Amino acid sequence: EPEVTQTPSHQVTQMGQEVILRCVPISNHLYFYWYRQILGQKVEFLVSFYNNEISEKSEIFDDQFSVERPDGSNFTLKIRSTKLEDSAMYFCASSETGSQGQPQHFGDGTRLSIL
Amino acid sequence: GNSVTQMEGPVTLSEEAFLTINCTYTATGYPSLFWYVQYPGEGLQLLLKATKADDKGSNKGFEATYRKETTSFHLEKGSVQVSDSAVYFCALTTTGNQFYFGTGTSLTVIP
Repeated sequence: EPEVTQTPSHQVTQMGQEVILRCVPISNHLYFYWYRQILGQKVEFLVSFYNNEISEKSEIFDDQFSVERPDGSNFTLKIRSTKLEDSAMYFCASSETGSQGQPQHFGDGTRLSIL
Repeated sequence: GNSVTQMEGPVTLSEEAFLTINCTYTATGYPSLFWYVQYPGEGLQLLLKATKADDKGSNKGFEATYRKETTSFHLEKGSVQVSDSAVYFCALTTTGNQFYFGTGTSLTVIP
């Protein structure tokens, strides 16, 4: 069964540094998403992406965050200047369409630790 | 706004016990409802879904019925196995793409 893959599985970064989290969505999916889960808290939506632009974003997704689809297969999340509170598990997801009721398929996540 | 409330965990059951994990929601508009499961070291996997009132989603022996009158989507399984040990997340979507998740309920099944 096709799956969403994320790399790296664990990223340790010094505060203030830039970090890029990478995702390869399922190949025939058109919508891509990033979520995060701070330890012990809910999984929170960050951003959705379709047709090479952001379609929806949350209040969490401020100017330090950006997303990109640099080629036909990768989807990246960049955090420009990391803060301690960015430490979390980051999940990438994709879906075939953007219609309500369409399930999203999640990767195994990248654990980001900011020191 | 949109939100999901799940019963607190962790839940520990003996093998073959009956499982219920409660989930209630608030939503603007008419939501679609989902249960996702996360096994240790893995990502969120879709377990089941329901898109309209009175629909029952089912998969791998798990069931949940979309109850509009009580705004609930409780997860049930008649006889749990050790392999069902995982974290279970209730979630909803409305007209946008984003999922709203509950806090997750950790289930441990002991032999």
